[in-house]
Amino acid sequence: DAGITQSPRHKVTETGTPVTLRCHQTENHRYMYWYRQDPGHGLRLIHYSYGVKDTDKGEVSDGYSVSRSKTEDFLLTLESATSSQTSVYFCAISRGLAGGLYEQYFGPGTRLTVT
Amino acid sequence: GQQVMQIPQYQHVQEGEDFTTYCNSSTTLSNIQWYKQRPGGHPVFLIQLVKSGEVKKQKRLTFQFGEAKKNSSLHITATQTTDVGTYFCAGLSGNTPLVFGKGTRLSVIA
Repeated sequence: DAGITQSPRHKVTETGTPVTLRCHQTENHRYMYWYRQDPGHGLRLIHYSYGVKDTDKGEVSDGYSVSRSKTEDFLLTLESATSSQTSVYFCAISRGLAGGLYEQYFGPGTRLTVT
Repeated sequence: GQQVMQIPQYQHVQEGEDFTTYCNSSTTLSNIQWYKQRPGGHPVFLIQLVKSGEVKKQKRLTFQFGEAKKNSSLHITATQTTDVGTYFCAGLSGNTPLVFGKGTRLSVIA
């Protein structure tokens, strides 16, 4: 979708290898988020960022780190991938709407398989 | 921490039947949002409710926010095959990030 992209879209990796997922936005939004989605668990927040170099942990941050050196890019790193990190990963931005409301606008997702 | 419970987990309906999903929060919410995710897609924002007792409609979809701002519902009248997908509620409380429910997966049998 316009405004937010994720790369790669699909990745298969082996247990123990490092993996970095990239989220790129073109709309200069301050807040960016990383979620994972697993059957029966819905969307769970991993980490989020409220500005360049400003990040915080979410509900399921263990085993993940993030970096945001530029407004437009938010990177999610699995230092040493495990099979439990097999999931679909969504990046999102917080985008303003009319009337002072905000929506979470999601990227297309990255399907990661750890073998 | 804040929890958002959503029921049912799955719902199968005949085309033309109504559908309702319910969302309950462990804490009072400042607002609640609803999202739809089509199979294989990403969540898409539907609506945000802010006021106690608020009701909003989008065509066949009716969204309600409870008087105590701890629960919400989404009702679809006369479902169509295009309604298939997973519906998520997400609640905002204080300064904590949005918390999503686990979603209700809707199947519509033509």
